[in-house]
Amino acid sequence: EAGVAQSPRYKIIEKRQSVAFWCNPISGHATLYWYQQILGQGPKLLIQFQNNGVVDDSQLPKDRFSAERLKGVDSTLKIQPAKLEDSAVYLCASRPDPGQGGNEQFFGPGTRLTVL
Amino acid sequence: SQQGEEDPQALSIQEGENATMNCSYKTSINNLQWYRQNSGRGLVHLILIRSNEREKHSGRLRVTLDTSKKSSSLLITASRAADTASYFCATDTGRRALTFGSGTRLQVQP
Repeated sequence: EAGVAQSPRYKIIEKRQSVAFWCNPISGHATLYWYQQILGQGPKLLIQFQNNGVVDDSQLPKDRFSAERLKGVDSTLKIQPAKLEDSAVYLCASRPDPGQGGNEQFFGPGTRLTVL
Repeated sequence: SQQGEEDPQALSIQEGENATMNCSYKTSINNLQWYRQNSGRGLVHLILIRSNEREKHSGRLRVTLDTSKKSSSLLITASRAADTASYFCATDTGRRALTFGSGTRLQVQP
């Protein structure tokens, strides 16, 4: 089966600019996650979707970050305006429903964002 | 905040040696998972151990879990150069989102 797809793989922008990332999860996976991974650290959850509804966005900086999952499939994560500290790898992951598989998450390759 | 903390932060060994990484966490969990991340890539799931399990094996991997001490260890036996990567523990508290530790960077010298 195809894995989690993300684009772009790399993005360089200047501070105060906007940027958007796209994720296509594994087909049939109802749960989708966006993580932020700063260099040298583990991934930190930004937002969790179940189908097209938000389950947890408590750690999403809502003054500048937004995410949506229209139709419960693809998802986009947007940063507007970007700050220097947003430089990180943004990882998308998906997971099947408990009755359809295990508890592991499947990760995409990530988008490496550099804010200058 | 990071739920888990891995120890050591970095580990360098020779090919054929065993590598042990430890993880401590703070809250009650449903399960604990270990992931590997090669440089510049996404994370790959290695193994999951449930809160009622004490030890689990998968190929050259052995994971232990001590819920009384809130700690886990990952042992990679007979390491290979291809095992060079960062290893993360992640805890699942039942909310279906994972909380990751800070990772151990493993370097296996050929």
